[in-house]
Amino acid sequence: GQNIDQPTEMTATEGAIVQINCTYQTSGFNGLFWYQQHAGEAPTFLSYNVLDGLEEKGRFSSFLSRSKGYSYLLLKELQMKDSASYLCAVRDKDYQLIWGAGTKLIIKP
Amino acid sequence: DGGITQSPKYLFRKEGQNVTLSCEQNLNHDAMYWYRQDPGQGLRLIYYSQIVNDFQKGDIAEGYSVSREKKESFPLTVTSAQKNPTAFYLCASSMLGGADTQYFGPGTRLTVL
Repeated sequence: GQNIDQPTEMTATEGAIVQINCTYQTSGFNGLFWYQQHAGEAPTFLSYNVLDGLEEKGRFSSFLSRSKGYSYLLLKELQMKDSASYLCAVRDKDYQLIWGAGTKLIIKP
Repeated sequence: DGGITQSPKYLFRKEGQNVTLSCEQNLNHDAMYWYRQDPGQGLRLIYYSQIVNDFQKGDIAEGYSVSREKKESFPLTVTSAQKNPTAFYLCASSMLGGADTQYFGPGTRLTVL
């Protein structure tokens, strides 16, 4: 079967750095997405990785290792508004998105 | 302003009633999707459509139906055959089919009493 694993919940301090991990086992690989979702709202696109390495976009960076089936989302200079769930999704060989259950990130002052 | 709209935001229905959730996009996207989100689970694909007048079942299509008569619109009907319909429903669209980033509407929270 296909599987995406993420930690259920993480806590971090305002101004700090946090890394949210995602491991996957899928039928083929055609890219990995990270989305942010505030409670009761729509997921919003954060990043996309299809090649190994780090993609940086402002305070957010995403890393991919295809050989290890592993990605992480790095959030720097945390702000209270970063409190949200972060969803990892992998596009499989049929170009269908397989979604993780999401990681709820709690930011404390 | 381009985007995806879903209405209503909250919907309450009695058990045994069919209900239709609206999804409209003005992004000129070809592909549209319906997902269901339940607490502690990843998004699950209900139906998707890559072109007008064509759609395919996702992983959990039983008890749901869709139509795609216009490029902009992809309504979802939750029928009385759906055993556990209470959930947060999300509509998404993408420029092409699976080879493009999906963008989401604000969602409809359906509660069946």
